[in-house]
Amino acid sequence: AQKVTQAQTEISVVEKEDVTLDCVYETRDTTYYLFWYKQPPSGELVFLIRRNSFDEQNEISGRYSWNFQKSTSSFNFTITASQVVDSAVYFCALSEFNTGNQFYFGTGTSLTVIP
Amino acid sequence: DTGVSQDPRHKITKRGQNVTFRCDPISEHNRLYWYRQTLGQGPEFLTYFQNEAQLEKSRLLSDRFSAERPKGSFSTLEIQRTEQGDSAMYLCASSFWRNTGELFFGEGSRLTVL
Repeated sequence: AQKVTQAQTEISVVEKEDVTLDCVYETRDTTYYLFWYKQPPSGELVFLIRRNSFDEQNEISGRYSWNFQKSTSSFNFTITASQVVDSAVYFCALSEFNTGNQFYFGTGTSLTVIP
Repeated sequence: DTGVSQDPRHKITKRGQNVTFRCDPISEHNRLYWYRQTLGQGPEFLTYFQNEAQLEKSRLLSDRFSAERPKGSFSTLEIQRTEQGDSAMYLCASSFWRNTGELFFGEGSRLTVL
């Protein structure tokens, strides 16, 4: 079974629009970690954020914000006032404390911001 | 530059040939991971080292794949008798010892098998 699901394969928005990328995860561990990574056209995966399962507080970092809801097993990512430089593939990932040796990645959401 | 570096960045080979990729992790990181990524997919776990010990290997990894990290520093991933299905981006990542640590990825080595 897929542990991380990113149902949105591709999204296109016009510059300055807000966009939310969805992530739904599945785990039986009570302790786990969720991540978002950005993969620009250059290819290198860039770490954006990590949340642990005990901290449901939403986080904002500049134009980026994350909404973690354990009740719905979701960890959504919102970009406010999108810019062309935000165009990339975004991956959500899960690491389980008891099997922390591997990270499970979703299939990614390709975001295109149109100028 | 103190990030994760991978070499070569691109490799084109004929089916049946052997290829080797090298990864140099961030120096203070003792965990090193290999992932594979195909077009339109997320990274898929292959194997993982803590220092020089290979602690986990994906069941998806065939016997043609072997990885080493001889001195707990750089790592190599060798693919023997390559097949067209091996064409992918091979990603290396490193992290600090704690399970919670985020992965830092290199730029990847793209393999094309003709």
